[in-house]
Amino acid sequence: GENVEQHPSTLSVQEGDSAVIKCTYSDSASNYFPWYKQELGKRPQLIIDIRSNVGEKKDQRIAVTLNKTAKHFSLHITETQPEDSAVYFCAASIGTSYDKVIFGPGTSLSVIP
Amino acid sequence: GAVVSQHPSWVICKSGTSVKIECRSLDFQATTMFWYRQFPKQSLMLMATSNEGSKATYEQGVEKDKFLINHASLTLSTLTVTSAHPEDSSFYICSGSYNEQFFGPGTRLTVL
Repeated sequence: GENVEQHPSTLSVQEGDSAVIKCTYSDSASNYFPWYKQELGKRPQLIIDIRSNVGEKKDQRIAVTLNKTAKHFSLHITETQPEDSAVYFCAASIGTSYDKVIFGPGTSLSVIP
Repeated sequence: GAVVSQHPSWVICKSGTSVKIECRSLDFQATTMFWYRQFPKQSLMLMATSNEGSKATYEQGVEKDKFLINHASLTLSTLTVTSAHPEDSSFYICSGSYNEQFFGPGTRLTVL
């Protein structure tokens, strides 16, 4: 079955710096890769997603890159702010399903003012 | 975005009792809903896929007789934890599928 790995598990950055989180997946049929932000005790919120026919997608300070050959994808947050502090999860679809996904183990991001 | 609600938001029960958690899609019809369990400082673990009008599909290692899922309508799925034990204490989150997954706020279950 699908396996998603994520690194680093914790990340601390100074406010204004960039943060990069990397994920790998095992199922070559996966074609949908969402990223979620979860604050303590709250529901995951979709922040950006990418499909396999695209190599890069950007939304303001957030960007995601996908390398299907290597089966890895990354989240880039620029100009980080304290409110970016949260746990971030990458996920990969199970096969070609657009909604059934497997989550990575998560990255706890701390942005230091 | 679409809204998913869960009820209750938290519940405390005694060991051996059963607990029902409701998941509702408020402004869309969800033919598919997903149930996850999340232990403290861990990721979301997919438990089962719930399809309206049919039996749920459980992930490997999830006991279907312990975690009963019913998806009776396009807007409601329920998860019943039967004969709950302390090790079932966790944060249970559902999601409804509508072009993407929309998550409920979660239910924190504590079994004494």
